[in-house]
Amino acid sequence: AQKITQTQPGMFVQEKEAVTLDCTYDTSDPSYGLFWYKQPSSGEMIFLIYQGSYDQQNATEGRYSLNFQKARKSANLVISASQLGDSAMYFCAMREGSFVYQFYFGTGTSLTVIP
Amino acid sequence: SQTIHQWPATLVQPVGSPLSLECTVEGTSNPNLYWYRQAAGRGLQLLFYSVGIGQISSEVPQNLSASRPQDRQFILSSKKLLLSDSGFYLCAWRAGGMGGYTFGSGTRLTVV
Repeated sequence: AQKITQTQPGMFVQEKEAVTLDCTYDTSDPSYGLFWYKQPSSGEMIFLIYQGSYDQQNATEGRYSLNFQKARKSANLVISASQLGDSAMYFCAMREGSFVYQFYFGTGTSLTVIP
Repeated sequence: SQTIHQWPATLVQPVGSPLSLECTVEGTSNPNLYWYRQAAGRGLQLLFYSVGIGQISSEVPQNLSASRPQDRQFILSSKKLLLSDSGFYLCAWRAGGMGGYTFGSGTRLTVV
């Protein structure tokens, strides 16, 4: 089974609107971390936000928030007030436990912000 | 603060030629280091990781190899490139425990 599933290959959003990028995960490890990365056309992977499995509150970083629903095993990224510079690929990722190599990426969602 | 450097940014190499991509990390000691490859329009594939000098683990058997000659240096190599080696190569590091990755700026390799 896929560890990280991103079901939206491409998304469009109007500038200044909010958008939600979906991510579901699969793990039986009680300790895990969830991450979102942004990859603009330049290729660099930019860390956006982190949610730990034991965190009680949803993570927020500026215009980014992570809608963490543990029972449903979902970790959706919400971008508020979209900007043209938000157009990029977005990857959801999960670290299982604290093992060195157990870090899984989804296939990504391409977000296009329309002026 | 920690920084990660990766070079070159782009590379065009003929089939059968050798490859050497270098990655260095500053501002931290004994980092866990990783090489990922991203084929066009696809997700990331873990190639190698290293927890210390001279310690290399391979996730995918292929004609690539990795070495860690110094604590903060990680090198990706090939003796003879294949067309299928084309892609975007990312070096990353992370501290142990609960942390996530910090990525380098990537190398776009085209094998012709």
